[in-house]
Amino acid sequence: SFVLTQPPSVSVAPGKTARITCAGNNIGSKSAHWYQKKPGQAPLLVIYYDSERPSGIPERFSGSNSGNTAALTISGVEAGDEADYFCQVWDTGSDHPVFGEGTKLTVL
Amino acid sequence: QVQLQESGSGLVMPSQSLSLSCAVSGGPISSDTHAWSWVRQPPGKGLEWIGYMYHSGTAYYSPSLKSRASISIDKSKSQFSLTLTSVTAADTAIYHCARLTIFGGWYFDSWGQGTRVAVSS
Repeated sequence: SFVLTQPPSVSVAPGKTARITCAGNNIGSKSAHWYQKKPGQAPLLVIYYDSERPSGIPERFSGSNSGNTAALTISGVEAGDEADYFCQVWDTGSDHPVFGEGTKLTVL
Repeated sequence: QVQLQESGSGLVMPSQSLSLSCAVSGGPISSDTHAWSWVRQPPGKGLEWIGYMYHSGTAYYSPSLKSRASISIDKSKSQFSLTLTSVTAADTAIYHCARLTIFGGWYFDSWGQGTRVAVSS
């Protein structure tokens, strides 16, 4: 089945830009979605359809998807952005969702 | 805005069955543009999809759990449920219910906060 690979961790200073990648074979041909997961909280959809932001998600969150890599970019990182971030696509071959392993974002 | 709330057994004995329910409010469970899903997160690990069901009752399951998982839906109560049989310690996780937007990109647009399930004797 389709495999998504994320870096285990990304660290960034407050106010800087964080980029979290999600690699998959020709992932650019699929729609990529991103979720923020904080301990004890429900996962939160932050990007869908590669680059769309749900209502209430700050403009600091943006997404891209091309070739073999999708990416979530968080500009002007804040302490409250510290969380695990998961990418997800739909595997049309098996008709089910696939999640990346997750990336822990640490705000220094 | 749709809200989901899980409930169910927090401690399950090995080899027994796990049963969880998810109450849906703020939106119709009989939606043609959504399906209802279960996703879990074992301690220290990532998100693992378990299965999803359309309001018609058609369900799809993860190949790794297909033989043990079953999802049902009760439209009269606006809730859906998960049963997982023959549990082991590997089934210890936080279990989330989620609404899956279907068509187009297929993504989970609303989630429950999750319920912690421990498998232990």
